[in-house]
Amino acid sequence: EAGVAQSPRYKIIEKRQSVAFWCNPISGHATLYWYQQILGQGPKLLIQFQNNGVVDDSQLPKDRFSAERLKGVDSTLKIQPAKLEDSAVYLCASSLRGNSYNEQFFGPGTRLTVL
Amino acid sequence: AQSVTQLDSQVPVFEEAPVELRCNYSSSVSVYLFWYVQYPNQGLQLLLKYLSGSTLVKGINGFEAEFNKSQTSFHLRKPSVHISDTAEYFCAVSDQTGANNLFFGTGTRLTVIP
Repeated sequence: EAGVAQSPRYKIIEKRQSVAFWCNPISGHATLYWYQQILGQGPKLLIQFQNNGVVDDSQLPKDRFSAERLKGVDSTLKIQPAKLEDSAVYLCASSLRGNSYNEQFFGPGTRLTVL
Repeated sequence: AQSVTQLDSQVPVFEEAPVELRCNYSSSVSVYLFWYVQYPNQGLQLLLKYLSGSTLVKGINGFEAEFNKSQTSFHLRKPSVHISDTAEYFCAVSDQTGANNLFFGTGTRLTVIP
């Protein structure tokens, strides 16, 4: 079974530029998560989708971050414009469902460096 | 709201020695508890989880953890570590009544010394 795929693996941009990350969850997984992992910290949830609807985006900085999950499968996370403090690893995860306990499976992440 | 504290940011240990990585949590509701491992340039992999039942849970790669409700702890242990155990370890909690969201600690870097 293929795991969670993410691209690109690495991205370097200058502040005020825009960037987008892509995630393809495990087939059949209804719930998709985006996490931000700043160096030296644990991952922090940015947004959770159930199919193509948003369940929780309370930690998403909506003035610059946006995410979508068209057709309830792939998802993109965008930052526009980027700031220095956005340098982090962005992890995508998926689970069968989003209620009670459902194991989350993580992708390898996208490491973003903002100069 | 939940929070997780991992008191040790770095733990060096010699190969074949035992290790304990400490985790304490705070929550106003019942939680599920997890340990994840992250190898360099890779995503997170679930080591073990506590959902209910026996407070001693066994996971992959010879790791185990014990849930202590009175001390709100979930410490991770391994009796004999290998070089390949060198990685970052994260403790996490999830609200039993919530939307399956994970709240992570800041991580413990385990370095196994030959």
